[in-house]
Amino acid sequence: QKEVEQNSGPLSVPEGAIASLNCTYSDRGSQSFFWYRQYSGKSPELIMSIYSNGDKEDGRFTAQLNKASQYVSLLIRDSQPSDSATYLCARRANAGNMLTFGGGTRLMVKP
Amino acid sequence: DVKVTQSSRYLVKRTGEKVFLECVQDMDHENMFWYRQDPGLGLRLIYFSYDVKMKEKGDIPEGYSVSREKKERFSLILESASTNQTSMYLCASSLSQASNQPQHFGDGTRLSIL
Repeated sequence: QKEVEQNSGPLSVPEGAIASLNCTYSDRGSQSFFWYRQYSGKSPELIMSIYSNGDKEDGRFTAQLNKASQYVSLLIRDSQPSDSATYLCARRANAGNMLTFGGGTRLMVKP
Repeated sequence: DVKVTQSSRYLVKRTGEKVFLECVQDMDHENMFWYRQDPGLGLRLIYFSYDVKMKEKGDIPEGYSVSREKKERFSLILESASTNQTSMYLCASSLSQASNQPQHFGDGTRLSIL
């Protein structure tokens, strides 16, 4: 089992809809979680971080963390074609500074 | 804003050459990282450093070495480049060991080994 798993997609949603991206992890010692967006040919760009159970909202983005069920998700409201990208989920373990990344989910928002 | 600068966006080298990839950050970050990213394999950590002259192996250190002589600069070295090292290389930095500190990435270097 991979440490961080994401459905590779593509996940296709119509413009204006809510896109829901999911990530599961295997290490219960994971403390912090990060969502990155990566456009084709570009480097990952941090969108959000979350480390407490529950929801965290930032503009059109909401990150959700459930440590008991070992999943973290990212919701994108009012999806725009410019949101089309690969979204990477990453987690940091209890100790150390290394991140473990999932393989990413490719999101396509169709006009 | 955090600025992580990688010296080259595209690089073409030949098998057996010694290759240097340079990364500089301007935010006095303690930690710096080198990843490679390949289709289907995702981001994989090669080496990281949490202080000047300190280095730690990541998941795939074979065939690579690193150097951190100054806090702002972290170099990745391919001692004798091989074709299986053709990849996108990404440098990242983070402020400290605190668990809620994110990593910030440079623009990447697409390296081709012929």
